[in-house]
Amino acid sequence: AQTVTQSQPEMSVQEAETVTLSCTYDTSENNYYLFWYKQPPSRQMILVIRQEAYKQQNATENRFSVNFQKAAKSFSLKISDSQLGDTAMYFCAFRTDKLIFGTGTRLQVFP
Amino acid sequence: DGGITQSPKYLFRKEGQNVTLSCEQNLNHDAMYWYRQDPGQGLRLIYYSQIVNDFQKGDIAEGYSVSREKKESFPLTVTSAQKNPTAFYLCASSIDEGLAGAREQFFGPGTRLTVL
Repeated sequence: AQTVTQSQPEMSVQEAETVTLSCTYDTSENNYYLFWYKQPPSRQMILVIRQEAYKQQNATENRFSVNFQKAAKSFSLKISDSQLGDTAMYFCAFRTDKLIFGTGTRLQVFP
Repeated sequence: DGGITQSPKYLFRKEGQNVTLSCEQNLNHDAMYWYRQDPGQGLRLIYYSQIVNDFQKGDIAEGYSVSREKKESFPLTVTSAQKNPTAFYLCASSIDEGLAGAREQFFGPGTRLTVL
C-alpha cells in the first residue's frame, strides 16, 4: 500500500527563522509526483511546492524549498525567513494515480 | 477569475436526511474529486471523476453518491447511510490525468457539514 507519513504533528518557529517539516512515503512506483499543500485557518488548500520524482534537482519556490531523497523516500519542506502568514497546517501528498495525503503538521510562527 | 466554488460554506443536517454539497469549477478541468477531512487526519478520497458521465469510488465511498452530468459540476450527496457525516468536505479539480505534468489539484474553499 502507498502511504505518506508526517511524523511531526506540531512545530513552532520564530519569525525570520528557518524550519523544516518532515515527510516520508512508501511506494513501489518509480514515476510519481510529490506535493506540499498549506491549509491556513481559512481552510483553503493552497499548493506550496511540487516535485517530479524523475527530477533530481530539488524544487524551490521563493522561501520554500524541498529536500527530495528518492532512495530514502523522503520529501522534507524547508521554510526560510518564516513569516506570521506561514502559520498553517502543512500536508505532504504523493501521487501516482491518486493523491494520498499525510496527516499534516501544524506550524505556528511566533513573533 | 477561474476557480472552484463550493456551497454552502456551512451546512446543518438532521439525522436521517440526505444532503447535497455543490462543487462548480470554471477551470475547464476534466477531473474532479471529493475529499473528506476530519480532525487529526489527512484528506481522504470519497469519489472522483475523470470525464463527464463517469466516476469512480475512492477510499471511503460508502454512504455517499455523486453525479457528473456537466464538466463544470460534481455534486456530492451525503446520504442517511453515512454513519458519521460530520466533517469538512473539499472539492478539487485537475487537468486530465493522462497529460504529462498535469498533476496538480486545485481545491475549493470547502463545506463544513454538521449533523444535529
